[in-house]
Amino acid sequence: RKEVEQDPGPFNVPEGATVAFNCTYSNSASQSFFWYRQDCRKEPKLLMSVYSSGNEDGRFTAQLNRASQYISLLIRDSKLSDSATYLCVAMAGQNFVFGPGTRLSVLP
Amino acid sequence: NAGVTQTPKFQVLKTGQSMTLQCAQDMNHNSMYWYRQDPGMGLRLIYYSASEGTTDKGEVPNGYNVSRLNKREFSLRLESAAPSQTSVYFCASGPSVYEQYFGPGTRLTVT
Repeated sequence: RKEVEQDPGPFNVPEGATVAFNCTYSNSASQSFFWYRQDCRKEPKLLMSVYSSGNEDGRFTAQLNRASQYISLLIRDSKLSDSATYLCVAMAGQNFVFGPGTRLSVLP
Repeated sequence: NAGVTQTPKFQVLKTGQSMTLQCAQDMNHNSMYWYRQDPGMGLRLIYYSASEGTTDKGEVPNGYNVSRLNKREFSLRLESAAPSQTSVYFCASGPSVYEQYFGPGTRLTVT
């Protein structure tokens, strides 16, 4: 079993839709969590950290459920420019563990 | 401000050849990392360096060596390339383990 798992998608949604990504992690020692965005053939870039209380950054909301070892990312009012692969990350000690990513295509 | 730079951008090697991937950052970060990314596998940590003069193995270190030459530079060496090392290699740096900035990647093909 992979340490961090994500639905690979692709998720094809129309502009303006709300889309949710889920991620599960198996290492209960994981302490910190992040969402990264990766455009096609580009490097990953930090989208947002995930806090226990949940956090929001504009149209993006991230939530963490430690009991279920589950992380989510919600994108509201999706834009064409949101098309990318979204990578979930769980950190234990010095080790960042990336999920395989979920691909999103926002369609006009 | 260039951020994290990697050279080369593309490379084709024959099985058994050696090469060094170069990485440099100009953000005065303590931590540097090397990852490989394969389809369906996500990014996997090869080696990291928490500070100048230290290096540690990540999840997939076999077949690789690293050198933290100074605070700016962290190189990855393949001594005897194998087709299983065909991948996209990303270098990253960060002020701490909680924040990483990635370079543009090196696409390596081993035939």
